[in-house]
Amino acid sequence: DQQVKQNSPSLSVQEGRISILNCDYTNSMFDYFLWYKKYPAEGPTFLISISSIKDKNEDGRFTVFLNKSAKHLSLHIVPSQPGDSAVYFCAGGLYGNKLVFGAGTILRVKS
Amino acid sequence: DAGVTQSPTHLIKTRGQQVTLRCSPISGHKSVSWYQQVLGQGPQFIFQYYEKEERGRGNFPDRFSARQFPNYSSELNVNALLLGDSALYLCASSSPGQEITDTQYFGPGTRLTVL
Repeated sequence: DQQVKQNSPSLSVQEGRISILNCDYTNSMFDYFLWYKKYPAEGPTFLISISSIKDKNEDGRFTVFLNKSAKHLSLHIVPSQPGDSAVYFCAGGLYGNKLVFGAGTILRVKS
Repeated sequence: DAGVTQSPTHLIKTRGQQVTLRCSPISGHKSVSWYQQVLGQGPQFIFQYYEKEERGRGNFPDRFSARQFPNYSSELNVNALLLGDSALYLCASSSPGQEITDTQYFGPGTRLTVL
């Protein structure tokens, strides 16, 4: 049972444009969601999080949107940079513990 | 400040052997979680420890065990290794209690290959 799904295995975006990565979840008990970025041979790096009591959280070029009724969250990166090319994972959990991860989306930012 | 550290970086074992992986959390963090990531998938939760007590366990067989020490470092043990145990093992630390929603910070992982 995949509780967190990232339906797009890959995404290609031109440098300077917006990147939108999507994530769907099924467990309505999740109250905290996070996005991580991962480069090959490294551990996931925390990017941004959102609590279920909010619908938007911004941090610089990164914004996460949460639609609880649709059980959907998205990560917007504006403007996209070549250094953003990596695998992006969304994760959900209860109080941020026992995180359940999606399978990841490979983002390629072309210069 | 040092982040989460893990050792060893890489490990090669044969089927049936046992392995111990080690993790040191970020200074001040009292909770450690372990995840397994196989190729093409997201990390999968194995264990969480807080103040030396097991706080949660994922859907893994009893061959997997872990413990946390008084200095909050942790070890993950896997017995009777199978080929399917080949994966990247990730350790994450967090500091529950300070906020209701604590963020987990990951180490670089240990790449385990079982032959």
